Amino acid sequence: QVQLQESGPGLVKPSETLSLTCTVSGGSISSDYWSWIRQPPGKGLEWIGYIHTSGSTNYNPSLKSRVTISVDTSKNQFSLKLSSVTAADTAVYYCARLTNYGGTYYMDVWGKGTTVTVSS
Amino acid sequence: QSALTQPRSVSGSPGQSVTISCTGTSSDVGGYNYVSWYQQHPGKAPKLMIYDVTKRPSGVPDRFSGSKSGNTASLTISGLQAEDEADYYCCSYAGSYRVFGGGTKLTVL
Repeated sequence: QVQLQESGPGLVKPSETLSLTCTVSGGSISSDYWSWIRQPPGKGLEWIGYIHTSGSTNYNPSLKSRVTISVDTSKNQFSLKLSSVTAADTAVYYCARLTNYGGTYYMDVWGKGTTVTVSS
Repeated sequence: QSALTQPRSVSGSPGQSVTISCTGTSSDVGGYNYVSWYQQHPGKAPKLMIYDVTKRPSGVPDRFSGSKSGNTASLTISGLQAEDEADYYCCSYAGSYRVFGGGTKLTVL
């Protein structure tokens, strides 16, 4: 059974780059799509973007200029970098696997989430 | 890419049915039959409950059902149970992108 675990600094300074890693266990990261989603405190979910293990990516247009998602198949990991962060980027960050259910891909396995606070 | 519109809260008594709406545009909800619904309990990760507007993943009770008309999708929970109390989010395909609704808090009275 595939499990995902987010890791990275819980505190990032304003204007710096947020960096998180999602480690996939119980299965191979190869040939699948992997996504990042975030949830500000007390607010709803926001899709950040996804990557295929081939390296192709797609990002939320509102974050596109600051986001980079990459994959390291040798480590069974994928990563998120968000540059020039502000307090508005404070959130719980989730990683998720996208599975093709026939029509399109859906986020069906999620990590437990990791809290990132942007503060000096 | 604006968030889909959901009611902030709904409520119902055990055994009753409730419906949560999710309104988008012809560029997302109305343009594709790729709406999903997620259930999120406090402090937990979201769980996929409905995909392709009406389909349920294995293990999701058939008390949960989905539908769509025009630019509005709906999630109906019948035979409400205490454990259904949670936040619910719709999510739509929007041409390679994904857009979530603002979330609806379901209270079981």
